[in-house]
Amino acid sequence: AQSVAQPEDQVNVAEGNPLTVKCTYSVSGNPYLFWYVQYPNRGLQFLLKYITGDNLVKGSYGFEAEFNKSQTSFHLKKPSALVSDSALYFCAVRVPYGSSNTGKLIFGQGTTLQVKP
Amino acid sequence: SQTIHQWPATLVQPVGSPLSLECTVEGTSNPNLYWYRQAAGRGLQLLFYSVGIGQISSEVPQNLSASRPQDRQFILSSKKLLLSDSGFYLCAWTPGTGWAYEQYFGPGTRLTVT
Repeated sequence: AQSVAQPEDQVNVAEGNPLTVKCTYSVSGNPYLFWYVQYPNRGLQFLLKYITGDNLVKGSYGFEAEFNKSQTSFHLKKPSALVSDSALYFCAVRVPYGSSNTGKLIFGQGTTLQVKP
Repeated sequence: SQTIHQWPATLVQPVGSPLSLECTVEGTSNPNLYWYRQAAGRGLQLLFYSVGIGQISSEVPQNLSASRPQDRQFILSSKKLLLSDSGFYLCAWTPGTGWAYEQYFGPGTRLTVT
């Protein structure tokens, strides 16, 4: 069965320090992986995705993610955190299909990122 | 460009009352549409998805139902709300074909059942 795990409920970093939000996945076949961010009482915003190609994917707001097939991980990173990056972050994997594309995603439970000044 | 709308933004309803939440997408055609519920600001639970008009798939048996009367309109309903229906409801869409597309989310509806 397909699944996504975000092992940390919360990550705390100081402003200006690098940040990492972890995600591991379990899928059959090639993974299609996504990161989203959610600010309080808002919908999810797409940050970046891995479909194929380079293992380092760059996305919005200076975020990037590293795909590691051997470790089945897709960790979100940023070289220098901002207080405004404080939010809830979700990792997701696309559900493979048979003859139809439902486009469904499986989401992790989310990780709260707290960046302190 | 494409946009997704949800209304109302907030809703307070008594137990046993009916519910209707609406989601519409602009700027695209034949999207896949999704309803999620998020409880306590954490994980997302997929409730329904639709790949076309009148085509609804339910992910979790419950007190809710969904309909898609038009190509870009997705409605979440209930005949009688339960306290457990409280939560943040999110609608999302993705282009109807292709694996590489991300889902795009609406602003959400905060439902409180009292």
